[in-house]
Amino acid sequence: DTGVSQNPRHKITKRGQNVTFRCDPISEHNRLYWYRQTLGQGPEFLTYFQNEAQLEKSRLLSDRFSAERPKGSFSTLEIQRTEQGDSAMYLCASSRAQGKETQYFGPGTRLLVL
Amino acid sequence: QKEVEQDPGPLSVPEGAIVSLNCTYSNSAFQYFMWYRQYSRKGPELLMYTYSSGNKEDGRFTAQVDKSSKYISLFIRDSQPSDSATYLCAMSIPSGGGADGLTFGKGTHLIIQP
Repeated sequence: DTGVSQNPRHKITKRGQNVTFRCDPISEHNRLYWYRQTLGQGPEFLTYFQNEAQLEKSRLLSDRFSAERPKGSFSTLEIQRTEQGDSAMYLCASSRAQGKETQYFGPGTRLLVL
Repeated sequence: QKEVEQDPGPLSVPEGAIVSLNCTYSNSAFQYFMWYRQYSRKGPELLMYTYSSGNKEDGRFTAQVDKSSKYISLFIRDSQPSDSATYLCAMSIPSGGGADGLTFGKGTHLIIQP
């Protein structure tokens, strides 16, 4: 399967703990995006990378959130000092630089903060 | 007012009916328009994308964009129970326009009754 993969698929944590999610994009895609989706809402853009460079951050990305893509391949999203409001599905997508509109999504990581 | 408005439904129709799903938007800079299908607890799956105004057909699916009215539609012919899902519209501005994430509607929950 050459689609976008995300790990873990589910994460339950206690408030105040740190969590890290991983995304592996489609191999030939050099753009990688992170979105957050809460129940009954569409995905909301958080940030994106072109290769290893983080080029845009949404105002939704508080300073407790950090994303990296060190070698321009996989990416990690870390949430520090989790809060109950961080409970959501975290989605990763990838695309080519030319044709960014055709973004392909992974299955998501569902986070529950207790 | 949100940038993209989409009726969350649910929309329930009998098998074989033609389904019409719609979104309106307020940002005239949007040029690319996408439709995603999302099954429960899964990531969004890209169905179709169109550039600017006009129609695009792919099998049982037809996407329409009316930029003058800031209105987009997705039609599903010969609807099947397997089409039951949440349908998300998404939009973006051209590359280099400064905002490279997709802007989504809330999604419409569609139920096809056998």
